[in-house]
Amino acid sequence: SQQGEEDPQALSIQEGENATMNCSYKTSINNLQWYRQNSGRGLVHLILIRSNEREKHSGRLRVTLDTSKKSSSLLITASRAADTASYFCATDSSNDYKLSFGAGTTVTVRA
Amino acid sequence: DTGVSQNPRHKITKRGQNVTFRCDPISEHNRLYWYRQTLGQGPEFLTYFQNEAQLEKSRLLSDRFSAERPKGSFSTLEIQRTEQGDSAMYLCASSSTQGYGYTFGSGTRLTVV
Repeated sequence: SQQGEEDPQALSIQEGENATMNCSYKTSINNLQWYRQNSGRGLVHLILIRSNEREKHSGRLRVTLDTSKKSSSLLITASRAADTASYFCATDSSNDYKLSFGAGTTVTVRA
Repeated sequence: DTGVSQNPRHKITKRGQNVTFRCDPISEHNRLYWYRQTLGQGPEFLTYFQNEAQLEKSRLLSDRFSAERPKGSFSTLEIQRTEQGDSAMYLCASSSTQGYGYTFGSGTRLTVV
């Protein structure tokens, strides 16, 4: 079973716009991570946020974490065509480094 | 070391045949994971190793599946008597014990016909 659920399932935006996707999870976590996957390829690690952090930035990415609501959001600013991909949140808990992934949000950036 | 390497990239096999996939992790990483991903879904955990020890196996890993990591280096995932339901992308990832993010390989896409 999958721990996280992303919302929306799919997102289509114009180049230059911002893209926001959300992730909700069920059990308490140590860390929450976001990954990107281009069609037919492996996943690429984007950013990790620890359970005691509330916000983190990396380039055009901003991640927030609300442990009271068991939710996280990923914001991609000034989107580019190259951002077209599926985005997954993944969580681990306690001393278990095994990650549990959600079903992903598919983002399409139109030129 | 340029990343996690998986071979083959694609495998088409007939139902009932055995298949074996290989994963070469980043050499400094002592944790290695196998995941399975079907179309439109996120990766599902299959098993993981710390060094050569297989520490956890998912219920998804039936008796037809076996994984090894001899000497804590590369790993193999074997599926015996393949079924059409085994068709999926099989992903390998590695990480250090600090657990700071996984590095994934490009995956092996299995098609059982």
